[in-house]
Amino acid sequence: EVLLLESGGGLVQPGGSLRLSCAASGFTFSTYAMSWVRQAPGKGLEWVTSIGGSGSPTYYTDSVRGRLTVSRDNSQDTLFLQMNSLRAEDTAVYYCARDKGGSISGLGDSWGQGTLVTVSS
Amino acid sequence: IQMTQSPSTLSASVGDRVTITCRASQTINSWLAWYQQRPGIAPKLLIYKASSLETGVPSRFSGSGSGTEFTLTISSLQPDDSATYYCQQYNSYSRGYTFGQGTKLEIK
Repeated sequence: EVLLLESGGGLVQPGGSLRLSCAASGFTFSTYAMSWVRQAPGKGLEWVTSIGGSGSPTYYTDSVRGRLTVSRDNSQDTLFLQMNSLRAEDTAVYYCARDKGGSISGLGDSWGQGTLVTVSS
Repeated sequence: IQMTQSPSTLSASVGDRVTITCRASQTINSWLAWYQQRPGIAPKLLIYKASSLETGVPSRFSGSGSGTEFTLTISSLQPDDSATYYCQQYNSYSRGYTFGQGTKLEIK
């Protein structure tokens, strides 16, 4: 069974930093691209970033490029999202998702339960 | 690429046939997915490549379309289908893998 477990969310001040993790199990992690998708409170889904199985390439939505950085540790089956220069509009539940078929597609066939990031003073 | 769903909300009865439409601002060929999200729970993939049913998804769900116009159909609505449904285009990373704004489906 594919399992994805996010952690690292919390309350952070504007301009601050946070690092999210997503621990994967139940599949060969290194052979799958992974994505982060977020959902602001009461709002719809927004694709944030994707990363290839080997760690490259990486793609970002325009609003986070240069502030959020996706990475992975295939030896630990873990996906990361380093979040810097956080803004109020980054407040959301952040989901990690496995890209269907292995290659980068942004198409999530398995999702974690999400972790809430709140940016507020 | 902008994705526009209609309607935004929908109320229907058990056993009804329900259709949700998704329009893309430019052609995305068949790179269109549908997700179901119940409150407080992560999205679930239902349909990919416009019409391919994800493993384990009931056959009452179906998808159609290509280019810029797509539909999700539930052939016989069940109580468990109460949820918000999102379309997503995954045609090109350069334009972002954008989602529609969602359609909230309520059971009468």
